[in-house]
Amino acid sequence: NAGVTQTPKFQVLKTGQSMTLQCAQDMNHEYMSWYRQDPGMGLRLIHYSVGAGITDQGEVPNGYNVSRSTTEDFPLRLLSAAPSQTSVYFCASSPELAGTSYNEQFFGPGTRLTVL
Amino acid sequence: QKEVEQDPGPLSVPEGAIVSLNCTYSNSAFQYFMWYRQYSRKGPELLMYTYSSGNKEDGRFTAQVDKSSKYISLFIRDSQPSDSATYLCAMAYNNAGNMLTFGGGTRLMVKP
Repeated sequence: NAGVTQTPKFQVLKTGQSMTLQCAQDMNHEYMSWYRQDPGMGLRLIHYSVGAGITDQGEVPNGYNVSRSTTEDFPLRLLSAAPSQTSVYFCASSPELAGTSYNEQFFGPGTRLTVL
Repeated sequence: QKEVEQDPGPLSVPEGAIVSLNCTYSNSAFQYFMWYRQYSRKGPELLMYTYSSGNKEDGRFTAQVDKSSKYISLFIRDSQPSDSATYLCAMAYNNAGNMLTFGGGTRLMVKP
């Protein structure tokens, strides 16, 4: 199993450009999510998905779009990049949406994005 | 005020020392308490999780939760240079265990 994979590892954009950060998992996990990590801020939830065709917003969704057409893939789109979106982006997956129990989330290696 | 506060460090200790890492939180609705370890330029990986209050031990690591004080701790015994990393606490509500609220992380350096 490759686990959670993310591409690209690094990206530099100019303000206003668009791009898609790719995330894929081969563990047949239903739940997938995107976080951004900024210095001193920990990780903050951007969007999440509880299964193919179902997505919802997290804590910091503005400026980002997601879709989930397959169980394996959960791309994150920046429609018009801004310097405030300079960050490290992590994708995570877990077996299912936790109810009264905790399901471990598995994180990818991250994408380092700089917006000039 | 952030929901979860964590001293950013860095915390530098000699090899073999006992390390104490802590987080405080403001929302009493949190029920799941996790500790993640993140090596430089890598994704976080789960170390331990605890449901509600109490202690949990796994090898050299012990997690403690004090819900009355809204305070959680991670203790590392016999620390090793390989423990050098950033440690992130995370919390979640009941019935929403996937939606994590993270602290800012504490950078730990264990010197040989």
